[in-house]
Amino acid sequence: ETGVTQSPTHLIKTRGQQVTLRCSSQSGHNTVSWYQQALGQGPQFIFQYYREEENGRGNFPPRFSGLQFPNYSSELNVNALELDDSALYLCASSPGTGGAYEQYFGPGTRLTVT
Amino acid sequence: RKEVEQDPGPFNVPEGATVAFNCTYSNSASQSFFWYRQDCRKEPKLLMSVYSSGNEDGRFTAQLNRASQYISLLIRDSKLSDSATYLCAVTGNQFYFGTGTSLTVIP
Repeated sequence: ETGVTQSPTHLIKTRGQQVTLRCSSQSGHNTVSWYQQALGQGPQFIFQYYREEENGRGNFPPRFSGLQFPNYSSELNVNALELDDSALYLCASSPGTGGAYEQYFGPGTRLTVT
Repeated sequence: RKEVEQDPGPFNVPEGATVAFNCTYSNSASQSFFWYRQDCRKEPKLLMSVYSSGNEDGRFTAQLNRASQYISLLIRDSKLSDSATYLCAVTGNQFYFGTGTSLTVIP
């Protein structure tokens, strides 16, 4: 196991609602990245947090936002949920920023928007 | 143009076969390269990093061809337990994943 944990494991929300997903990084890792994985697709980069600051963002609208805490855990918030937001949300931790470091994934949160 | 392209498969091979997957990338400045394995409804797990000189881990061999901008994964002596989706990842300032290649090893 990677030591990366995520909660909750599953979630069902209604269109227009807001959701908060949580992630605890692996011990010794200071960087957390969030990904969205739709069925049959690879993970798509949402954003990365390092030292409590956003450190890179993918092609996602502002209603996707995040936080990182001093203990390096992180939250992903999604406002005004849309049906297309239904996906597996993955958190990955790494010991540094950028692309040079391997990333280790948590088990994910499966979000269903109805 | 997608950053990373993979043949989605599916690849159905008998036990003991050798199978190879390729992954092409568009950004010649890409820094690092990885292969991940993802089982059904699970998270991706790091299989191996890909180094310029090529690297091997047991039955798995990864290669990088910077000139042609592709990476490959070779699995020898396939086992039933190798059945999974294999994702390539290419990095610049962020990770870009392919859509994954589905492998089923048949008894």
